[in-house]
Amino acid sequence: EAGVAQSPRYKIIEKRQSVAFWCNPISGHATLYWYQQILGQGPKLLIQFQNNGVVDDSQLPKDRFSAERLKGVDSTLKIQPAKLEDSAVYLCASSLVEGPRRGAFFGQGTRLTVV
Amino acid sequence: EDKVVQSPLSLVVHEGDTVTLNCSYEVTNFRSLLWYKQEKKAPTFLFMLTSSGIEKKSGRLSSILDKKELFSILNITATQTGDSAVYLCAVGSNTGKLIFGQGTTLQVKP
Repeated sequence: EAGVAQSPRYKIIEKRQSVAFWCNPISGHATLYWYQQILGQGPKLLIQFQNNGVVDDSQLPKDRFSAERLKGVDSTLKIQPAKLEDSAVYLCASSLVEGPRRGAFFGQGTRLTVV
Repeated sequence: EDKVVQSPLSLVVHEGDTVTLNCSYEVTNFRSLLWYKQEKKAPTFLFMLTSSGIEKKSGRLSSILDKKELFSILNITATQTGDSAVYLCAVGSNTGKLIFGQGTTLQVKP
């Protein structure tokens, strides 16, 4: 079974620049999550999609972050403009609609450094 | 506001010791509690618990859920250096929302 694919693996940008991350979930998984994990902390949910609809984006800083999931498959997360405090690992995860038997499956993450 | 709290935040033990990690939660429309292990990459699934009092076991790891008191514990017996990692507790709701705790960093010394 192919896992959740994310790219890029690493990204270094200057503050005020923009950046985009891409995620391809496991085939057939209707639910897709984006998490932000700052060093030393647990993953923080940014946005949850069910197919191509947003279920929860209450913790997404909408003035600078945006996400979309066109056609209910791949998803992109964008930050514009980036701030120093956005330095973190951005994790994408996916799960089945009915409530996963094994929880959400995670990609390897994108490590973002804002300088 | 939904929240998941883990304790301790960090733990240092020696090989062969037994450790207990704690997770308490306040989540609307609780569906399941999950434990993950995170080394220097993506979290990997350990257990999913949905019913109180039923212990899940996998080798030296075991976990149990108490839905009345809203907590779970993860036990690791005869710890090994390979158990060193961050252990994450997450709670899933009926909407599919998955909320994580801060994690417990476990270091097992030889």
